[in-house]
Amino acid sequence: EAQVTQNPRYLITVTGKKLTVTCSQNMNHEYMSWYRQDPGLGLRQIYYSMNVEVTDKGDVPEGYKVSRKEKRNFPLILESPSPNQTSLYFCASSPTRGRFGGYTFGSGTRLTVV
Amino acid sequence: TQLLEQSPQFLSIQEGENLTVYCNSSSVFSSLQWYRQEPGEGPVLLVTVVTGGEVKKLKRLTFQFGDARKDSSLHITAAQPGDTGLYLCAGAEAAGNKLTFGGGTRVLVKP
Repeated sequence: EAQVTQNPRYLITVTGKKLTVTCSQNMNHEYMSWYRQDPGLGLRQIYYSMNVEVTDKGDVPEGYKVSRKEKRNFPLILESPSPNQTSLYFCASSPTRGRFGGYTFGSGTRLTVV
Repeated sequence: TQLLEQSPQFLSIQEGENLTVYCNSSSVFSSLQWYRQEPGEGPVLLVTVVTGGEVKKLKRLTFQFGDARKDSSLHITAAQPGDTGLYLCAGAEAAGNKLTFGGGTRVLVKP
């Protein structure tokens, strides 16, 4: 089944403890992206990647890092999480640059930083 | 950053009624996509419209892209409880590097 898989689905952590949210897609998509979704603010892009070793900042990149060493994987790294990073995170992939292909989203990771 | 405004933010209707959701911007988009999101899940793509004035139909859902490619609408005919969800529009910039999402319209269809 074609899908984007995120792990974990739920995570509660403490301020300052480094964490990684994994994202993997099995559709050979070039384009991958991370979004956070917050009430009243909608979906906002954190980082995106157009191909292996090519990443760029989205609208809200502060406090996050990403890497794209393989085409299928695009992990999101929080080096020192803070409570304002409590949010619902989505990874998405697309066969093109998003213009025509549409995104396939993962099921989300609900992160709570205390 | 290009902005997309959706209206209304919330819509509650009875089964069998029709509804329309609007997505507006002052910017031109190369394409516009509509997604539906259910609680606890990621958004699911419904349709992509590319050409100004384009109309696409998906069963009881009709999507239209404005002539100037700045706005779009989603019309649902004879809504059913299964249509309940958060509807999101998203515009692609010409470079296509990212989608800008609207704030969403939460639709509740009561039986």
